[in-house]
Amino acid sequence: QVLLVQSGAEVKRPGSSMMVSCETSGDTFTRFAVHWVRQARGQGLEWIGVVVPALGKRNFAQKFQGRATITTDVSTNTVFLRLNNLRSDDTAVYYCARSLGSSGYYTSWGQGALVTVSS
Amino acid sequence: DIQMTQSPPTLSASVGERVTITCRASRNINNWLAWYQQKPGKGPKVMIYQASILEDGVPSRFSGSGSGTQFTLTISSLQPDDVATYYCQQYSLYSSFGPGTKLEV
Repeated sequence: QVLLVQSGAEVKRPGSSMMVSCETSGDTFTRFAVHWVRQARGQGLEWIGVVVPALGKRNFAQKFQGRATITTDVSTNTVFLRLNNLRSDDTAVYYCARSLGSSGYYTSWGQGALVTVSS
Repeated sequence: DIQMTQSPPTLSASVGERVTITCRASRNINNWLAWYQQKPGKGPKVMIYQASILEDGVPSRFSGSGSGTQFTLTISSLQPDDVATYYCQQYSLYSSFGPGTKLEV
């Protein structure tokens, strides 16, 4: 089973930035895309964006364009999500998930990372 | 972005009953649709992909159908273990999810 291992929970102040990491396998970096999805407490799943590490391609949901960044570290097979200018409604569990392409369904998910935005 | 809707938002049914959840896309997504099951405190689990293909290990009481803009997830005989929230996801153009259907037994 493919493992996607995420960083731990964070508490952030409004207006600051968050960064969540997702450690994957080398296979993931060469053959798959990594997506970021978030879920506020009691709410549904919301797609944030995707990176195809082998191609360096990225795309974001319109809502997050300009505020979200996805980066990669090939030396550690790790994908990072950065979200700037945090608001209280960014409080959510952030998941990374793997798919075969930038448009794909997800067979492997990280364990999720809770980010709480509070003053 | 492609918008997804689901109905009903909540569904209460009895053990053994046939259950159907509907998902609609704001534009044609062919059959690029997946269904996920999420139990409280857990991450989502794919049940069906490409609208009608059952993921390995998923019980055969689950089935999916549809193409274009309208899709359904059917559970032929509801079991207590099926209590969960179900989400549809389009992956015709990147990704987006429906708002979910909470299934109660």
